[in-house]
Formats: sequence, C-alpha cells, structure tokens
Amino acid sequence: DTGVSQDPRHKITKRGQNVTFRCDPISEHNRLYWYRQTLGQGPEFLTYFQNEAQLEKSRLLSDRFSAERPKGSFSTLEIQRTEQGDSAMYLCASSLAPGLSQETQYFGPGTRLLVL
Amino acid sequence: AQKVTQAQTEISVVEKEDVTLDCVYETRDTTYYLFWYKQPPSGELVFLIRRNSFDEQNEISGRYSWNFQKSTSSFNFTITASQVVDSAVYFCALSATGYSTLTFGKGTMLLVSP
Repeated sequence: DTGVSQDPRHKITKRGQNVTFRCDPISEHNRLYWYRQTLGQGPEFLTYFQNEAQLEKSRLLSDRFSAERPKGSFSTLEIQRTEQGDSAMYLCASSLAPGLSQETQYFGPGTRLLVL
Repeated sequence: AQKVTQAQTEISVVEKEDVTLDCVYETRDTTYYLFWYKQPPSGELVFLIRRNSFDEQNEISGRYSWNFQKSTSSFNFTITASQVVDSAVYFCALSATGYSTLTFGKGTMLLVSP
C-alpha cells in the first residue's frame, strides 16, 4: 500500500515564473488537501477536495494559486507569477471520509519551493 | 477560531531520558479531534495519534504516551526512554468535528543526543 506521493520534491524557480506541483493520494482516499509550511511554522491549510469537487479554500490561497483534481484522483497545485514569499514547503495529504466521521489525514513528503 | 500553542520551541535531551511535549489548544467547538504528527528531517509528516474530545482516557503505545485533559485544554505527549531516532519536529493539531481542516501548532523540535 503506497502512501501519498508528491512531485517534484524540490523546485527552484525565478520570481515571476509559473510552477506546478502534483500530488497522488493514497488510492482509495476520496479527500485531498494542500497545506503550506514555512520555516519554523506548522502547516497552514490552503484547500481541499472531496473527489473532484473543491470544497474549501483558505484566504491564503490568493488568485495566483489554483488547484485542480480533475478525475478525483491526483491533484495539481499551480502558482502563477511566483513571488519570493511563495518559498515554502507545499504538503499534500489525503484521507478517507466515510460520511461525516472525522478522518485522519496522511501526508506526502512535500515539495520544497524556492523562489529566487 | 481555533488555536494550538506549543510553547516549547526546542527541547534537547540525552538518550534514555523521558521527555514531555506540551500542547494547549483553544476552540469554541464542543466536539473536536486532536492529533500529533512527527516531522523528521526528511520533511514528511507522520501521523502518530488521534483523539476525540469525548475520550479523555490516556493512551500508551510502546514508548509513547498521551495525556488528554479537557479541563486544562491540554494534550501532552511523552516519550519514555528517548532514542536518537526520536529526533524530529513534533506537531500538535486540532480539527472541529465536521470540519476537515487541521489547525497546527508551531511545533516542538526534539533533539536526542547519544
């Protein structure tokens, strides 16, 4: 049983460029989350999907950020016109949500983004 | 609004010492879940435990134990006989029942030296 995978693991880009990250959740999980973690801080929620529907977005998710989960499986997170303040670890998590029971989120290894 | 406070930024111990990581939370929700995650240097968050607000029983798993006290809004984590492999950043997190998002504390870095 494979865990959550993320690609790439590291990304260095220049300010103003666009970047896209991919997350593959645990296969039977129907919920997928994106978090951002800056140095010395805990992860902060960005957005989450149930199947292909994006159900919630944080105010941290500016209009330069867009996330998709087109077929309810993998997800992509795109950042347009990157800024130095976007430098962070981007974490993906997935969970199985049967009904309204609270589920446990399992995290991937993250993508470290450095914007020069 | 929810808030998780981990007042200890960094703790250093020598191998085999016991260590307790503190977590204090704030929430207006009457039902909620609390979590602990471990983040080793590789960066991946590893799930350790989940507790719901109805269950205040302490839990022990091997060298790990958790003390949940609703009266003081605390969910502390103790590692007995620490080992070098326990060195990591540990995060406490909170979510309200019915909501999926996790609110994390800032983490406590644990350094266990031989």
